[in-house]
Amino acid sequence: AQKITQTQPGMFVQEKEAVTLDCTYDTSDPSYGLFWYKQPSSGEMIFLIYQGSYDQQNATEGRYSLNFQKARKSANLVISASQLGDSAMYFCAMREGMEYGNKLVFGAGTILRVKS
Amino acid sequence: DTEVTQTPKHLVMGMTNKKSLKCEQHMGHRAMYWYKQKAKKPPELMFVYSYEKLSINESVPSRFSPECPNSSLLNLHLHALQPEDSALYLCASSQKVLGEEKLFFGSGTQLSVL
Repeated sequence: AQKITQTQPGMFVQEKEAVTLDCTYDTSDPSYGLFWYKQPSSGEMIFLIYQGSYDQQNATEGRYSLNFQKARKSANLVISASQLGDSAMYFCAMREGMEYGNKLVFGAGTILRVKS
Repeated sequence: DTEVTQTPKHLVMGMTNKKSLKCEQHMGHRAMYWYKQKAKKPPELMFVYSYEKLSINESVPSRFSPECPNSSLLNLHLHALQPEDSALYLCASSQKVLGEEKLFFGSGTQLSVL
């Protein structure tokens, strides 16, 4: 069964506007972590933001925020004030359990293109 | 400092060659990972080392042989690879801080098998 689902293969956004990238997940483990990574065409995977399953507040990191809706099992990434440099592939990922060195499973990714 | 360094950045090898990929981090992280990523696909886990011991092997063919000589270094030895093994190989490391464990990736080695 698919653990992480990203339903948007590609998205366009106008420069300076906000954009939401969708991510839903499936787990029965009460302890899990949710991640978003950015991968530009250069190939490096850049950590953006993390949300723990027990965190009461939505995570924020600069222009990135994670809209965590636990009951709906969704963890959407919101990028505010889009910049041309935000054009990249974005992956949502999940780790189940609290053991150190657990497997991180990725969604299929969403390609974001920022238009000037 | 969140740097994970991978060398080489690019590698071309024949099917009879033996080569190694190297990954290094000096953040004191005690878990290190190898992921394989095909073009336009998500990364797929290959191996995890936790405290220098192999803790996860995702049924990877034996032509890929991981090694963790110390807490800062992770190698992936390659032998008799197939053209379908051509991919981006990503190394990552993680450390648990206040209950949170974040994974940091290197920039990868782009491998082409001819």
